Amino acid sequence: EPEVTQTPSHQVTQMGQEVILRCVPISNHLYFYWYRQILGQKVEFLVSFYNNEISEKSEIFDDQFSVERPDGSNFTLKIRSTKLEDSAMYFCASRGQVTGELFFGEGSRLTVL
Amino acid sequence: EDQVTQSPEALRLQEGESSSLNCSYTVSGLRGLFWYRQDPGKGPEFLFTLYSAGEEKEKERLKATLTKKESFLHITAPKPEDSATYLCAVQAGAGGSYIPTFGRGTSLIVHP
Repeated sequence: EPEVTQTPSHQVTQMGQEVILRCVPISNHLYFYWYRQILGQKVEFLVSFYNNEISEKSEIFDDQFSVERPDGSNFTLKIRSTKLEDSAMYFCASRGQVTGELFFGEGSRLTVL
Repeated sequence: EDQVTQSPEALRLQEGESSSLNCSYTVSGLRGLFWYRQDPGKGPEFLFTLYSAGEEKEKERLKATLTKKESFLHITAPKPEDSATYLCAVQAGAGGSYIPTFGRGTSLIVHP
């Protein structure tokens, strides 16, 4: 069964460092998303991406964040100058053309020290 | 402004004890309501999509229903392996964001 894959599963970084989280969406999907979940809190939308550009972003997605689809399969989230409050689980998701349900990866746990 | 409210926050059941989880929503023009299951440290796993009031979907011991204001996830004769957090998400239609917005979830524990 097709699935969304994310790497790394866990990353520990020092405050102020840059991190890149990687995702391989389901191959025939066209819409891509990043969500995050701080421990014990709800899943929050960060950004959506379609046709090689950002289609929507939340207030959380400020200039510290960027997304890219560098080739035909990968979708990345870059966080510049990480802060302690960026510690969370980051989920990548994708969906197809017709239905609205998102399919999520297993997540990348980011710990900022 | 909460668009999606789930209740209860936590639920403990004995194996075989049926119950229901609630998701109430306030969006302009519902495009879709989604139920997900999330195991600890994992990503949300898609269960159901409901599009219009009166619609029902079933999968094994789970049954999801939808009205104009809320959705229920009914769990019949649950087993310990049904223990997880169940998330509800709504997608607004015309005039609203198409981005699914999640509730805080209901943490379900089923004791053997």
